[in-house]
Amino acid sequence: EVQLVESGGDLVQPGRSLRLSCTASGFTFGDYALSWVRQAPGKGLEWVGFITSKTYDETTDYAASVKGRFTISRDDSKNIAYLQMNSLRTEDTALYYCTRGNFLFDRWGQGTLVTVSS
Amino acid sequence: EIVLTQSPGTLSLSPGERATLSCRATESVSSNYLAWYQQKFGQAPRLLIYGASNRATGIPDRFSGSGSGTDFTLTISRLEPEDFAVYYCQQYANSPPWTFGQGTKVEIK
Repeated sequence: EVQLVESGGDLVQPGRSLRLSCTASGFTFGDYALSWVRQAPGKGLEWVGFITSKTYDETTDYAASVKGRFTISRDDSKNIAYLQMNSLRTEDTALYYCTRGNFLFDRWGQGTLVTVSS
Repeated sequence: EIVLTQSPGTLSLSPGERATLSCRATESVSSNYLAWYQQKFGQAPRLLIYGASNRATGIPDRFSGSGSGTDFTLTISRLEPEDFAVYYCQQYANSPPWTFGQGTKVEIK
């Protein structure tokens, strides 16, 4: 069974950093791109960014709202993808989902909550 | 950036009725790269439809997608109790950013 499990969400102050993890199982992790999608409380879905597989050079791309502040990486030996979030803002407060795919999201984790507040 | 507008915001229907959800794009979605997701309360979204009209694995055939260009539709032929949820469209045409509609809530009348 395909599983994606996010972790690392927390309450942080504006300007601080946080790293989220996505641990995958049930499929050949290295063959797939991974994406992060977030959902602010009571709001809709927003694509954050993706990382492709090693076959495609682990290419990354990001939404304009996070470009330059967020970085996605992966460790295929551990089946983990990461979302490094720097210079956090109050508007980054959201439930962050890890998803399989880089443009079409066929599996989702349950999300990890990031709250940015002073 | 392609902006997707979904209508209506809320659809109030009874089990057994037909639901028709609309998603309109600000520019043509090339190759009909348009997907639909279902999100039940407190759960992660689930992929229903991709390529505008292809059902994802395990999705019942009461769900169907149609449309092209800038206008797309998700139809649920006969609502089951488990279908009451929020539905999002998403485009993945050309190049990022991928964008989602704001969602349509299907609620029990």
